[in-house]
This record gives sequence, structure tokens and C-alpha cells, in this order.
Amino acid sequence: EVQLQQSGPEVGRPGSSVKISCKASGYTFTDYVMNWVKQSPGQGLEWIGWIDPEYGSTDYAEKFKKKATLTADTSSNTAYIQLSSLTSEDTATYFCARPNYPGIPGWFAYWGQGTLVTVSS
Amino acid sequence: DIQMTQSPASLSASLGETVSIECLASEGISNDLAWYQQKSGKSPQLLIYAASRLQDGVPSRFSGSGSGTRYSLKISGMQPEDEADYFCQQSYKYPYTFGAGTKLELK
Repeated sequence: EVQLQQSGPEVGRPGSSVKISCKASGYTFTDYVMNWVKQSPGQGLEWIGWIDPEYGSTDYAEKFKKKATLTADTSSNTAYIQLSSLTSEDTATYFCARPNYPGIPGWFAYWGQGTLVTVSS
Repeated sequence: DIQMTQSPASLSASLGETVSIECLASEGISNDLAWYQQKSGKSPQLLIYAASRLQDGVPSRFSGSGSGTRYSLKISGMQPEDEADYFCQQSYKYPYTFGAGTKLELK
């Protein structure tokens, strides 16, 4: 069974950074990219980007290129997202999401449970 | 970026009623469209991909159709467990973009 287990809620001060993890199980980690999606309180969904764990290659939405850094550790089957220079606009729930098929990154069949990031002084 | 205009923003349906939700893309997306259901406090769940393909395990009362710039999700016979938010998403071009969502409630 495919499972994506995310780390717990984070509180970050304005200007600081936070790092969220997403531990994958039930499939070969390097066969699929891992996407990250942001959901602001009471709002819709925004795609942040994906990482290919096998090669470490990434693709980001322009809006998140200076905000998010995606990494992956193949030894622990874990993907990470680091959010830097936090502002109140970064307060949101962040999801990792695995696509349905290898080689087709865009249909998100499996999702982590979400990690709430709260930016507060 | 491709804009996804979803309608209606909210709707209320009776038990057994057929419901349709529409998504209009700002340019043609060649059926690279998915629909998700998100229940309160939960992660989204993939319902439909490639515009009309039903994801494994999703009830057959859900169906998707459309082409070009216009796509729709149909629920044939509203059930209590269908009360949720629904989002469309295009994967034709980066960045992937989502519709603003439709809140579906049971009347």
C-alpha cells in the first residue's frame, strides 16, 4: 500500500525557515517524482513543484522559485520541502503528492496527510 | 499560466440528484485534466484523470467529460458522502494550476 507520511505542524517566525518531510512507503521511491502543493487557509490549491528523487532534478512554479527548495533522500525514501524567508503569506497546509504513473507527473493519486505551517512572531 | 475557471463556486443537491461541475481553461489543454474531491480536514482524492478516466476505487457515479477548453465532472445520484469540495487541475503546461473549487452540500 502506497503511503506518504508527513512531519508534524510547524511554527516559524517571520524571516526564518522551516523544513517539512514526506516519508514514502509501499513503492519504489525513485520510480516517481514527488510533487508539493500548498493550500492556504480556506483557499484553493497551488502547485509548488516536483522533484525526481532518482536524479535530484526539480521543476518549480515561478512563484515559488525563491521560496521553496525541494530535496530527496533515497536512503530513507523521504522527500523534503524547505520554505525560506517566511511571511504571513506562507501560513498554509503543505501536501506532498505522488502521481498515478511514472513519467506522468501531473495526476496526483496519492497524498500525504498535509503539514500545517504557521508563521507567527 | 493557464487559468482554470471553475463553476459554480457552491451548490446544494438533494439525495439522488445529478450534479455537474464545470471547468473552463484559458487555453486548450488536450484532455490533461484531473478532478479531485476534498472532504473537510482531509487530503484531496483523485477522482478522474485524463478528463474522463475513473481512478481505481472511485464509485462509478462519478464521471468526467469534455475537450479543448471545457470540461465537466458529473455525479449521477448525489450521496451523503459526496458532500465535499471539488477541484479541477490541468497538467498540460507548467505550472500546473487548479480551479478555485466547488463546495457541494447535501440539501
